[in-house]
Amino acid sequence: DSGVTQTPKHLITATGQRVTLRCSPRSGDLSVYWYQQSLDQGLQFLIQYYNGEERAKGNILERFSAQQFPDLHSELNLSSLELGDSALYFCASSVDGLAGREQYFGPGTRLTVT
Amino acid sequence: QQQVKQSPQSLIVQKGGISIINCAYENTAFDYFPWYQQFPGKGPALLIAIRPDVSEKKEGRFTISFNKSAKQFSLHIMDSQPGDSATYFCAAIISGTYKYIFGTGTRLKVLA
Repeated sequence: DSGVTQTPKHLITATGQRVTLRCSPRSGDLSVYWYQQSLDQGLQFLIQYYNGEERAKGNILERFSAQQFPDLHSELNLSSLELGDSALYFCASSVDGLAGREQYFGPGTRLTVT
Repeated sequence: QQQVKQSPQSLIVQKGGISIINCAYENTAFDYFPWYQQFPGKGPALLIAIRPDVSEKKEGRFTISFNKSAKQFSLHIMDSQPGDSATYFCAAIISGTYKYIFGTGTRLKVLA
């Protein structure tokens, strides 16, 4: 158990809908990362937050947005969902978000868009 | 230039054998190379990591070999066990960019 929690574990929704994925980092970790894992794309970095501020952006679509709240939990919002958005979404946390720090991954949220 | 190419895509090894997974990169600015292990239904977990100032790092049965001139690094699993069956990801990061670039993963199966 990494100490990172993600909810929900599974999510099934229809195209065009909007969903919110939630992540709570390990106690004491200030930085949160979001990743998308699909069969054909591997693990893709989406976005990183540190202590409430966006720090780095990866391959995140404009339909997706995220934020980190004062209590350090983070939410990833996915809107206008398409079939291709079906994937595992992982959240990871690290103590300070500096490059080279170990990232601890949560168990993931499996999103299925029908 | 930001890609990390990982091979093979899948690997089957007999129990007690050596599993070898390779990664190659182009961007010489990468300066931290971790390997992650992922079991089905779980998130990736850090296995071992190396910086380019050393050519090899060993932790138990897991060894990273790093070839700076060839821009390649590899994971060796000695005495592979069925419990090692998982997907392995290499990654690379440039200090200061905060972005992890992951390889596409290798699905390892160790036969009992």
